[in-house]
Amino acid sequence: GAGVSQSPSNKVTEKGKDVELRCDPISGHTALYWYRQSLGQGLEFLIYFQGNSAPDKSGLPSDRFSAERTGGSVSTLTIQRTQQEDSAVYLCASSLGVRDGELFFGEGSRLTVL
Amino acid sequence: GENVEQHPSTLSVQEGDSAVIKCTYSDSASNYFPWYKQELGKGPQLIIDIRSNVGEKKDQRIAVTLNKTAKHFSLHITETQPEDSAVYFCAVRTDSWGKLQFGAGTQVVVTP
Repeated sequence: GAGVSQSPSNKVTEKGKDVELRCDPISGHTALYWYRQSLGQGLEFLIYFQGNSAPDKSGLPSDRFSAERTGGSVSTLTIQRTQQEDSAVYLCASSLGVRDGELFFGEGSRLTVL
Repeated sequence: GENVEQHPSTLSVQEGDSAVIKCTYSDSASNYFPWYKQELGKGPQLIIDIRSNVGEKKDQRIAVTLNKTAKHFSLHITETQPEDSAVYFCAVRTDSWGKLQFGAGTQVVVTP
């Protein structure tokens, strides 16, 4: 009965490098969400998946951000050519379905861009 | 799109007192209103939710009230305890979206 698992838990990178963040949702959850939380701020929606498709990518801040989900399970959020303003905690959540109430969050991946 | 405002941003209460956090939203089609609690270094966790066909819901020391006409909902914590200290987020969802739109959060500090 594992919860949502995210890796890495901490990532320090240099400006301009690419990073990949991984999310392993709860088994059987068809919906998966990515949020970003900057220091002391609220949760900023990035993208969500229903199965492998992403009906709403409206929150992705720029074309440097992309995400994919394969096999209706694991998702990867990729940030290319990282900038200092990308520094934040990236939170992943899953739910049984997009209209099914509770989101279960992982503990997040803290990204620091130097 | 939906706009969710949350107040206050910080709230300090004496142990045993009550805490109230309020959120307003803009989209009258919104129909699901959860509250999440986030402890330091953890992901947010659902503590209570309410749907648009219900005006109030209670679970032990926490309760949520919803006023759809005025488009606001509130979290009430009674008999606060030190373990209630955390950041609390309200959120809103409409069926047409699927995503949750979160408020900016309220840092609650319960002092013994």
